[in-house]
Amino acid sequence: TQLLEQSPQFLSIQEGENLTVYCNSSSVFSSLQWYRQEPGEGPVLLVTVVTGGEVKKLKRLTFQFGDARKDSSLHITAAQPGDTGLYLCAGAPPSNDYKLSFGAGTTVTVRA
Amino acid sequence: GAVVSQHPSWVICKSGTSVKIECRSLDFQATTMFWYRQFPKQSLMLMATSNEGSKATYEQGVEKDKFLINHASLTLSTLTVTSAHPEDSSFYICSAHSRGTQYFGPGTRLTVL
Repeated sequence: TQLLEQSPQFLSIQEGENLTVYCNSSSVFSSLQWYRQEPGEGPVLLVTVVTGGEVKKLKRLTFQFGDARKDSSLHITAAQPGDTGLYLCAGAPPSNDYKLSFGAGTTVTVRA
Repeated sequence: GAVVSQHPSWVICKSGTSVKIECRSLDFQATTMFWYRQFPKQSLMLMATSNEGSKATYEQGVEKDKFLINHASLTLSTLTVTSAHPEDSSFYICSAHSRGTQYFGPGTRLTVL
């Protein structure tokens, strides 16, 4: 099992502030996915990154995949209350693209 | 986009009964589906990999006789929690793989009294 360390575990910020969530591992992943989950619902895919050094933007969200494909970050600019949720990173190992290893999750709370 | 559904969305049962949860891929076929459980404010814990037409693969520590998985078609996998007990109460989520991405169902909240 490839471990993904996600930090911080909790993040509470004021509306309009920026935030960054990190996902780190000593293992290489063929791809890494970021999900957001709201209470009582399943995770919703935000983005998949597959190329080392790749940067993807989704409105105010910026995702980066490390050059060595071992780590990733999620940056939210000018956070809004609607960004509140549990953010999960998940990596697919090179040997098996189907089975994901999940980070512990980051609970983000954006206060109005 | 790929859509995965689960049924029921929530279920309450008495201790000792069995509960079946369905996971369907609505607009794509999935030879592989996954079952997870999640406790409040925690991440997803993989329970087993459901393989169409063959036996499921269980993660270490997950009782295969307790959590029966059947993947009878390319669009349906079922998880049956047998002889459920209060400690089995949790949020159960399935996912299906399509084109390099896993898509998750909305989850099933199981409460065992």
